Amino acid sequence: DVKVTQSSRYLVKRTGEKVFLECVQDMDHENMFWYRQDPGLGLRLIYFSYDVKMKEKGDIPEGYSVSREKKERFSLILESASTNQTSMYLCASSLYRAGYTFGSGTRLTVV
Amino acid sequence: AQSVTQPDIHITVSEGASLELRCNYSYGATPYLFWYVQSPGQGLQLLLKYFSGDTLVQGIKGFEAEFKRSQSSFNLRKPSVHWSDAAEYFCAVGRIYQKVTFGTGTKLQVIP
Repeated sequence: DVKVTQSSRYLVKRTGEKVFLECVQDMDHENMFWYRQDPGLGLRLIYFSYDVKMKEKGDIPEGYSVSREKKERFSLILESASTNQTSMYLCASSLYRAGYTFGSGTRLTVV
Repeated sequence: AQSVTQPDIHITVSEGASLELRCNYSYGATPYLFWYVQSPGQGLQLLLKYFSGDTLVQGIKGFEAEFKRSQSSFNLRKPSVHWSDAAEYFCAVGRIYQKVTFGTGTKLQVIP
């Protein structure tokens, strides 16, 4: 089975800190995605990538950036964390037509 | 713009009863459609997907969904619900190499 691993289940960071969320998949998937999940809002796409060093903005990219230096790793960066970025962050990967495989999520609290 | 509507925020059913979760979508072309399930504190798991062909799709855990183009719907069904089905269910629409949009989810509660 494909495994998508997010490095942290829970994180607490201070306002203004630079935050890195790491995601690694082990099945050579081309496509990787970062979503945030908030109650009543569902999943909203932050960034996605269809290849190494390639990135596309999703619906809510403001305040975030990403890095994909290797095929298996897709990092989400909060340049200067703010309290409105407190959320559950979900990473996913996919092959063409295969649907997404999600990680278990990182619950980030910014204080 | 593509969108997904799940009109029911919360549904309660008795164990053993049948289940139908509603999903309506808006999409400019033939969509790819998905249903995912999320248990508390976990990521999402793919239940089933529709790309083309037979409009009745079978998935894991005894779930099925029917694509109705005329109604822009992709409702999820299960004939007999088990207590372990209690979770949140998300419908999604999109095409690969384009973004996939998720609905806001339906929380399912199962009572004995």
